[in-house]
Amino acid sequence: GAVVSQHPSRVICKSGTSVKIECRSLDFQATTMFWYRQFPKQSLMLMATSNEGSKATYEQGVEKDKFLINHASLTLSTLTVTSAHPEDSSFYICSLKSPSRGGTYEQYFGPGTRLTVT
Amino acid sequence: AQTVTQSQPEMSVQEAETVTLSCTYDTSESDYYLFWYKQPPSRQMILVIRQEAYKQQNATENRFSVNFQKAAKSFSLKISDSQLGDAAMYFCAYRRSNTGNQFYFGTGTSLTVIP
Repeated sequence: GAVVSQHPSRVICKSGTSVKIECRSLDFQATTMFWYRQFPKQSLMLMATSNEGSKATYEQGVEKDKFLINHASLTLSTLTVTSAHPEDSSFYICSLKSPSRGGTYEQYFGPGTRLTVT
Repeated sequence: AQTVTQSQPEMSVQEAETVTLSCTYDTSESDYYLFWYKQPPSRQMILVIRQEAYKQQNATENRFSVNFQKAAKSFSLKISDSQLGDAAMYFCAYRRSNTGNQFYFGTGTSLTVIP
């Protein structure tokens, strides 16, 4: 079954408005979650790493004031795109870092959210 | 910085045949993990196979196997007995060690399976 859910799966918003995307861990408590962005026919680019109870770590070039990340609990992280513009239109994917088992861990990806800014 | 290169933007294979997708990477680390992920039209990323760099034996998962050449920094994916459901975008990915968080993804190879 699904390990990670994202809501909404698709969202269309007007330029200048804010949009919140939720990422939920369904199977375990995730202390670390990741947010990726994927443009059409391109690879996944890591935007930020979200740790429960602390501030997110953003990758170089990602505006932290534009992409607000809140890892409020061990099962929920949210990405808010503030004052969205058409160039923010993209596919946003979250992933979870599973608990370590035998010294190893997996990353599970959510189904993604398609954001279209008009 | 780590980079992952997939030199084949598109590949096609006849159903039931075998296809190999190429991936090379650049790293100065000795301990790392390599992955192949599949992204079908649904856009859900699915782990196909993983390889620990310290293991010399190539990983296999049913019809999927890898050819890991550590010295050459090459990590190709072989799909045997290709099926229509194998059609997808395939991404090669690198992660530094087991404590590393960040995945570095290649640009992907779009695989078409011809009936």
